Amino acid sequence: AQSVTQLDSHVSVSEGTPVLLRCNYSSSYSPSLFWYVQHPNKGLQLLLKYTSAATLVKGINGFEAEFKKSETSFHLTKPSAHMSDAAEYFCVVSAMDTGRRALTFGSGTRLQVQP
Amino acid sequence: DAGVIQSPRHEVTEMGQEVTLRCKPISGHNSLFWYRQTMMRGLELLIYFNNNVPIDDSGMPEDRFSAKMPNASFSTLKIQPSEPRDSAVYFCASSYQVETYEQYFGPGTRLTVT
Repeated sequence: AQSVTQLDSHVSVSEGTPVLLRCNYSSSYSPSLFWYVQHPNKGLQLLLKYTSAATLVKGINGFEAEFKKSETSFHLTKPSAHMSDAAEYFCVVSAMDTGRRALTFGSGTRLQVQP
Repeated sequence: DAGVIQSPRHEVTEMGQEVTLRCKPISGHNSLFWYRQTMMRGLELLIYFNNNVPIDDSGMPEDRFSAKMPNASFSTLKIQPSEPRDSAVYFCASSYQVETYEQYFGPGTRLTVT
């Protein structure tokens, strides 16, 4: 079985300050990990993915995430928040589970960016 | 490319009525996914298809829900009869290969069952 835990349901930062969205996972198999972003009334958009290559993954809009197997974490960071980053962010784990690939979504973290 | 297209964008219906949601995946993608998003349960995978064949429907809540993919460019999710607890946003997503999971999501259909 696999699971993903997003440690914060809401994060609020000021524009220009760093962003940290935390994600921990558990998986019996070598997982692939993803971050998706959802702006209000929109579908989800892929930010970045980890699939057993480099542990530091760079995504779109200046976001990056580091896969840390020892900590079972895949935290999302950005050096400087922009107002347009305000959205909901989902951490997703994908692994072979009972012979079939299974996708598990975290519960989401809502990012607020204050001017 | 127009991206994943879903229709209708909003649907309001009365309990007991049949509801059909439609999805057109991105041309060339051979995997299609249906999700449901609610405040209570978050984002749930309902079913996915690979090359028009249903692979995993373990997320389909009950027999009132059914999904079809008659060809590579069209899929439907049907609820019959609908119930108020089915109210949610339903997303369709497609990907080139199911293994990559670089899924492209449609804008969603907001369903309200009164």
